[in-house]
Amino acid sequence: AQKVTQAQTEISVVEKEDVTLDCVYETRDTTYYLFWYKQPPSGELVFLIRRNSFDEQNEISGRYSWNFQKSTSSFNFTITASQVVDSAVYFCALSEAFNNNDMRFGAGTRLTVKP
Amino acid sequence: DTGVSQDPRHKITKRGQNVTFRCDPISEHNRLYWYRQTLGQGPEFLTYFQNEAQLEKSRLLSDRFSAERPKGSFSTLEIQRTEQGDSAMYLCASIGQGAGDGYTFGSGTRLTVV
Repeated sequence: AQKVTQAQTEISVVEKEDVTLDCVYETRDTTYYLFWYKQPPSGELVFLIRRNSFDEQNEISGRYSWNFQKSTSSFNFTITASQVVDSAVYFCALSEAFNNNDMRFGAGTRLTVKP
Repeated sequence: DTGVSQDPRHKITKRGQNVTFRCDPISEHNRLYWYRQTLGQGPEFLTYFQNEAQLEKSRLLSDRFSAERPKGSFSTLEIQRTEQGDSAMYLCASIGQGAGDGYTFGSGTRLTVV
């Protein structure tokens, strides 16, 4: 069965600090997809990234970067030089290829960036 | 393209009443999903449509819940005889055929059963 664990329930940082959000997953499939979503106070889930299991290349997008390591079943998300607008709940999610109807979300990490 | 729209944004109802929510996906998206999110938790899958066909339902979807997507466009989610445990945020998402990205979610309908 697939499972996503986000061990950090809440993180608080001061603006301009770097912060890493952890995500550990479990799946028996060899082909799967991993996602990160941001949920600001408005409630709408905003897609950030999708990564498939065959692509372990790390990705950087502006201040955001993702570190995918199959050996440790982790897909961690780092925000560099955090800003107040980064304050939100961040969800990691997993779906098994060809069955992405059941995208399994972690419980989320609430990030608060203080000015 | 205005994204995924959900209506209403908030609904307060008395226990035992029926409620219906609506979701308008992105027009060219053929797949539509309903998720439920309770406080402090991630979204949980409820059901999924490909065009007008409802292809999968979660065990979370009791017989009091029904969803439709007539003509493969908008979708409705109805809850009959609401219970306090139904209080949650109901999220709709859509994705196009072959899309390599994540789902596009709506802002959700927050249901409070009193």
